Amino acid sequence: DAGITQSPRHKVTETGTPVTLRCHQTENHRYMYWYRQDPGHGLRLIHYSYGVKDTDKGEVSDGYSVSRSKTEDFLLTLESATSSQTSVYFCAIRTSGSTDTQYFGPGTRLTVL
Amino acid sequence: GQQLNQSPQSMFIQEGEDVSMNCTSSSIFNTWLWYKQDPGEGPVLLIALYKAGELTSNGRLTAQFGITRKDSFLNISASIPSDVGIYFCAGQLSGAQKLVFGQGTRLTINP
Repeated sequence: DAGITQSPRHKVTETGTPVTLRCHQTENHRYMYWYRQDPGHGLRLIHYSYGVKDTDKGEVSDGYSVSRSKTEDFLLTLESATSSQTSVYFCAIRTSGSTDTQYFGPGTRLTVL
Repeated sequence: GQQLNQSPQSMFIQEGEDVSMNCTSSSIFNTWLWYKQDPGEGPVLLIALYKAGELTSNGRLTAQFGITRKDSFLNISASIPSDVGIYFCAGQLSGAQKLVFGQGTRLTINP
């Protein structure tokens, strides 16, 4: 599982409330990613990080912000949750070198009412 | 954003049959990855391919990195019930920090 945990695993919240999802890794990987997965859309990249305090936008970044103050933690924040952000959120880490690949966390199911 | 064309979108097969699925792209990739996702869980890496023409096996699974670097296929031999799930391909462009994903192939097995 590449030492990736996500918290919470499930969350139900109301429209307009702030929500923060946490991704934690234990293996010191430089790159971390946040995806959302919705029926009919597959996996879509929200934001990613290439180091502490270094982040960049993905293809569906509107309404989301991220922070990475430590190598091991990558936080995804919905400043004011909307129903369109109901989804399953996956964090991933990227291994580098000759075996460049991504490993995914177990996911967070978020429901915005 | 850019996407891979993964086919078929779904498959309904009998237990014991062989399965084949593929992904194609208009772009050249340096890396092809194949994942499997079970309900309620994150995608799990099955096979990673790093060289054009590379053929790699993982148990009953075999995947190949196309010679043109624009396609890849995954074969599953002698399917069993635990093979049920959604299979995703993903590709990485040279120098890119992001993966491009296929839409997935949903595999259903009739016992």
